Amino acid sequence: GNSVTQMEGPVTLSEEAFLTINCTYTATGYPSLFWYVQYPGEGLQLLLKATKADDKGSNKGFEATYRKETTSFHLEKGSVQVSDSAVYFCALRQGGGYNKLIFGAGTRLAVHP
Amino acid sequence: AAGVIQSPRHLIKEKRETATLKCYPIPRHDTVYWYQQGPGQDPQFLISFYEKMQSDKGSIPDRFSAQQFSDYHSELNMSSLELGDSALYFCASSPGQGGTGELFFGEGSRLTVL
Repeated sequence: GNSVTQMEGPVTLSEEAFLTINCTYTATGYPSLFWYVQYPGEGLQLLLKATKADDKGSNKGFEATYRKETTSFHLEKGSVQVSDSAVYFCALRQGGGYNKLIFGAGTRLAVHP
Repeated sequence: AAGVIQSPRHLIKEKRETATLKCYPIPRHDTVYWYQQGPGQDPQFLISFYEKMQSDKGSIPDRFSAQQFSDYHSELNMSSLELGDSALYFCASSPGQGGTGELFFGEGSRLTVL
């Protein structure tokens, strides 16, 4: 079945450090891929998405490229801020009648000044 | 812009009691999804509805039931509550059941079972 695997956290960084959170997926066909972010005590917010191979999603300095050859969608940011501290979820949506989002386990990011 | 509205935001119940959570999707969204997120866990899909019919079913316990009404809002009914049901319950909506766009999530309803 479809699944998403994320690197385990927590990830602890200093402000202005480079961030990478790895995400790989298993799916049939051509799913859409997403990164959702959950700030403490809040709901899930879409951070970015990509709907086909080689697409790059970007938002708020975060980027992720849909790599079909490596079935990956790694999240990157060049310079993190304290306000980026949150839990990040990689997710896929199969489409074609299989419409639910399937989430990875989540990666907690803590950024210190 | 209007978002997904969930109520109540917080709910405290005793074991073996019942609880009902409500979800109001974004206007013109006809598909609703329910997720359960335990402490430190990823959201687990429970059930979804499209045009008032169940469209998919995940790890929803038999003690739980849900439906979507003619105005597209949805309710999740939970009976014989157990301590393990304590979680954050998210509702999400999307336009149409097909496609590969994002789901729009509500703020969640936090259920605590004592």
